[in-house]
Amino acid sequence: ETGVTQSPTHLIKTRGQQVTLRCSSQSGHNTVSWYQQALGQGPQFIFQYYREEENGRGNFPPRFSGLQFPNYSSELNVNALELDDSALYLCASSLGGSGDEQFFGPGTRLTVL
Amino acid sequence: QKEVEQNSGPLSVPEGAIASLNCTYSDRGSQSFFWYRQYSGKSPELIMSIYSNGDKEDGRFTAQLNKASQYVSLLIRDSQPSDSATYLCAVKVYGQNFVFGPGTRLSVLP
Repeated sequence: ETGVTQSPTHLIKTRGQQVTLRCSSQSGHNTVSWYQQALGQGPQFIFQYYREEENGRGNFPPRFSGLQFPNYSSELNVNALELDDSALYLCASSLGGSGDEQFFGPGTRLTVL
Repeated sequence: QKEVEQNSGPLSVPEGAIASLNCTYSDRGSQSFFWYRQYSGKSPELIMSIYSNGDKEDGRFTAQLNKASQYVSLLIRDSQPSDSATYLCAVKVYGQNFVFGPGTRLSVLP
């Protein structure tokens, strides 16, 4: 069974740039959720994708967008990067639209300068 | 606004002792409750899930849920230095999304 993978591991961008983060879900899982975790805080829900459709969104601006592909992998795109976007971005996969028991990937550490 | 609260710690316990971690939540519609362990610089790892009032045991870990009082706790028996990590409580309402607490930092002293 293949676990959740994310790429890249680390990323450094400057303000105003755009970034794309990628996630491959655990084998057999059809739901992917994205979280932002700032240092010393718990993960904050960005959005969830279930069967290629957005299935819930947290309190993040529209410059945070995403996609899910037919193989259930997913992308998180962030436009017009701000300094406060510096964080660990976590992808979690689960089975079913209700998304119980989520399993996290290793995360992508984004630094915005 | 749905909230999940945890003491940030650090909670320090000696090796071999019982560590008790607590979490309260605001949404009475919450139905699923989870504990994650997160080592520094790593991603959260699911260690326990609980859905019904009462206790659920898995090895050295026991999760306790009291929906009437809106709290969930995690007990770690025979604490080991390798248990030193941040423990995240997560709560979910059916059909909605996870809400995480800020985490409690646990330090197990040899």
